[in-house]
Amino acid sequence: GAGVSQTPSNKVTEKGKYVELRCDPISGHTALYWYRQSLGQGPEFLIYFQGTGAADDSGLPNDRFFAVRPEGSVSTLKIQRTERGDSAVYLCASSLSSGRSTDTQYFGPGTRLTVL
Amino acid sequence: KQEVTQIPAALSVPEGENLVLNCSFTDSAIYNLQWFRQDPGKGLTSLLLIQSSQREQTSGRLNASLDKSSGRSTLYIAASQPGDSATYLCAVAGNTPLVFGKGTRLSVIA
Repeated sequence: GAGVSQTPSNKVTEKGKYVELRCDPISGHTALYWYRQSLGQGPEFLIYFQGTGAADDSGLPNDRFFAVRPEGSVSTLKIQRTERGDSAVYLCASSLSSGRSTDTQYFGPGTRLTVL
Repeated sequence: KQEVTQIPAALSVPEGENLVLNCSFTDSAIYNLQWFRQDPGKGLTSLLLIQSSQREQTSGRLNASLDKSSGRSTLYIAASQPGDSATYLCAVAGNTPLVFGKGTRLSVIA
């Protein structure tokens, strides 16, 4: 079956602009996660959803970052007033149930964001 | 705060060698530990998941062990092949869904 998909695969924007990154999880997966990976680093947790609600948003770096999952499937990560330091690969993952359970997380290919 | 460390940062071996990648974590209160593979410019592929109650998991030429009390895991790759070249990431699930190490970049030379 289809895996996790993310669009766009690449996004180049100018400092100060607003961007939206989309994630389509595996069908039937109730948990969805966003991570950010900078060059040479491991992914860092941003936020995870259980169904439609954000169960843990402790990894969001500041209030310029926001994510939604209105129908419990597709999720959008929104970044306002982008800064050059936001440049990274944004990874999305999904799992069958809760992020604190024993389920494997399946990752999408990521969106590479470049802020000029 | 959980911290995950992977050693070595990079490793180059000739084809056919057996090798071990190391992962350590500071907080032993984990639910599970996962090993991932990441190819350049790609997402992560899950290789093995070890529950906190387990000691090891095996899949083909891969074997992962977990010593929760000492905060350590190893990934053993048998009879390495050039196609194994990638970055291998260790991640632990606890209060935060997954905390990752920086990875070990493996090159298997034909």
